[in-house]
Amino acid sequence: EIVMTQSPATLSVSPGERATLSCRASQSVSSNLAWYQQKPGQAPRLLIYGASTRATGIPGRFSGSGSGTEFTLTISSLQSEDFAVYYCHQYNNWPQTFGQGTKVEIK
Amino acid sequence: EVQLLESGGGLVQPGGSLRLSCAASGFTFSSYDMTWVRQAPGKGLVWVSTISSTGVRTYYADSVKGRFTFSRDNSKNTLYLQMNSLRAEDTAIYYCAKMKYGDLDYWGQGTLVTVSS
Repeated sequence: EIVMTQSPATLSVSPGERATLSCRASQSVSSNLAWYQQKPGQAPRLLIYGASTRATGIPGRFSGSGSGTEFTLTISSLQSEDFAVYYCHQYNNWPQTFGQGTKVEIK
Repeated sequence: EVQLLESGGGLVQPGGSLRLSCAASGFTFSSYDMTWVRQAPGKGLVWVSTISSTGVRTYYADSVKGRFTFSRDNSKNTLYLQMNSLRAEDTAIYYCAKMKYGDLDYWGQGTLVTVSS
């Protein structure tokens, strides 16, 4: 099973600042990596797929990069609605696996 | 508009059974693989199972293999997750999700399963 490790567990950021979230895979997942945002009491929402392609309707301040085992989600200028938990997800191998999540909180 | 609506959750005793359903609309249901993901209270997302568009192929997490059965009825645009021999650790919100290229582009709102005596 591929283990996905996200860091940091919690990221404290001021509105308007940049946030950089990391996701590392225990073995290569090529570019078969997605990022999701989840707010309290809501279902996850797809942000990025194929490591770097924004999903429909996702603002341009969200960007993804990386391939193989190292991936990054960047939020260029945090808005109030961006404070949430973010998960990475590899779908290159069975079983599919998720990272444990990074909580982005207001500093 | 894509909609996924889960139902069937509730309280069940350890060792019991439950069947979840997920009604889909707004897309060509029979063309897409579908997935169940669960989330224990206060915890992260865990992949549970995936079914191919035709229902011929299914994949399961080791933690549910042999106890859960994922099926679909393409004539009714509905998914089913039959859960047997339930354990306390199966307590979670269960989400159904539509797969695109492997990523999950649409999610339902989830249904809560509580396994407790």
